[in-house]
Amino acid sequence: GAVVSQHPSRVICKSGTSVKIECRSLDFQATTMFWYRQFPKQSLMLMATSNEGSKATYEQGVEKDKFLINHASLTLSTLTVTSAHPEDSSFYICSAPEARGLIYNSPLHFGNGTRLTVT
Amino acid sequence: QKEVEQDPGPLSVPEGAIVSLNCTYSNSAFQYFMWYRQYSRKGPELLMYTYSSGNKEDGRFTAQVDKSSKYISLFIRDSQPSDSATYLCAMRSSNYKLTFGKGTLLTVNP
Repeated sequence: GAVVSQHPSRVICKSGTSVKIECRSLDFQATTMFWYRQFPKQSLMLMATSNEGSKATYEQGVEKDKFLINHASLTLSTLTVTSAHPEDSSFYICSAPEARGLIYNSPLHFGNGTRLTVT
Repeated sequence: QKEVEQDPGPLSVPEGAIVSLNCTYSNSAFQYFMWYRQYSRKGPELLMYTYSSGNKEDGRFTAQVDKSSKYISLFIRDSQPSDSATYLCAMRSSNYKLTFGKGTLLTVNP
């Protein structure tokens, strides 16, 4: 089945530094990828939609200058948390729909997530 | 009222039991329904995907959708300790945005 790979699986960084998280679709092309955040014992919250070759679309309340998204190819999207602070500590998960161009009726497949801890 | 309601549990059952997990929703525009399994510190894994009322079976798993009642269920037959995880329902309308339930923590005891 479709596989989404996310790297790194966990990262610890100091406050004020930036962290880049990569999301790759391994056996399919994804013009659209989604970035979610999940706090402990909470559900997944959509942060932004990453579009290949164009700007990302951010959900209300998500700072686009803080969470930089780049979707440079059909198989890679990156999320950079800039000037990270302890409150940014969370579990970040990317996802992609299974079929290119059919995102409206395709299930989403998720990466294994990145646990970010900002000290 | 939240768009998607899911009892967080925890739910604890003996090995071999039939497990019933449920979600209700309020948005009648939801058309696509999914169940995900999430192990601790891992991303959600897609279990079932359906877009019509009725039942869909895949191995030990059966997904049930009742659009008239705005109610979906996931049944797990012959539950195994390896089924212990958090189960998330998710749904969306014609756009791509998924709305998730909070997840139900399931423990299957050997």
